[in-house]
Amino acid sequence: SAVISQKPSRDICQRGTSLTIQCQVDSQVTMMFWYRQQPGQSLTLIATANQGSEATYESGFVIDKFPISRPNLTFSTLTVSNMSPEDSSIYLCSVGHRGETQYFGPGTRLLVL
Amino acid sequence: AQSVTQLDSQVPVFEEAPVELRCNYSSSVSVYLFWYVQYPNQGLQLLLKYLSGSTLVKGINGFEAEFNKSQTSFHLRKPSVHISDTAEYFCAVSLRSSGGSYIPTFGRGTSLIVHP
Repeated sequence: SAVISQKPSRDICQRGTSLTIQCQVDSQVTMMFWYRQQPGQSLTLIATANQGSEATYESGFVIDKFPISRPNLTFSTLTVSNMSPEDSSIYLCSVGHRGETQYFGPGTRLLVL
Repeated sequence: AQSVTQLDSQVPVFEEAPVELRCNYSSSVSVYLFWYVQYPNQGLQLLLKYLSGSTLVKGINGFEAEFNKSQTSFHLRKPSVHISDTAEYFCAVSLRSSGGSYIPTFGRGTSLIVHP
């Protein structure tokens, strides 16, 4: 299993600003994933982050809006840029240990005013 | 591409009653199936998974699920629920991507509400 922590756990931000979310894993992993969970909706994959390469974004998500860093095998950041109220959501990072079971962080609850 | 349908957005039930949360999937290839649980203000954690072998899988907290290939279903059951089972439950399917990784697709979630 993997233990994942996220910072911040929650934040309230003003429209037009940016927030960087950190994800730390207690073991080295190849792939890290970033999800968005909106109220009453499923988890939506934003992007997959591999160490040493550019993140791979899903349809509807772009690097300019959600830049991702993956400097080493235990850490990643997701930035939500130029925020609007529509970005209010829970953002989750996860790792796929051995590619099967996903282990999730506790999430970052973002409210944009 | 695979998809997951959780037929019930909310399931209210009384404590000690049985419960079934339904999940159907569509995929043209073999898949792995998962149920995750999300307690209030927490991240998701694995409840159980089906990779191969016996179609009846048992998970934590007394939950079990049965893989039915002909009906493309993976319904979650518990014979007697507890107040502490109140949570959001997500069904997910996963198949191998071209890069050799497993990227899951999640259902919309079912909110299980257990009343005393």
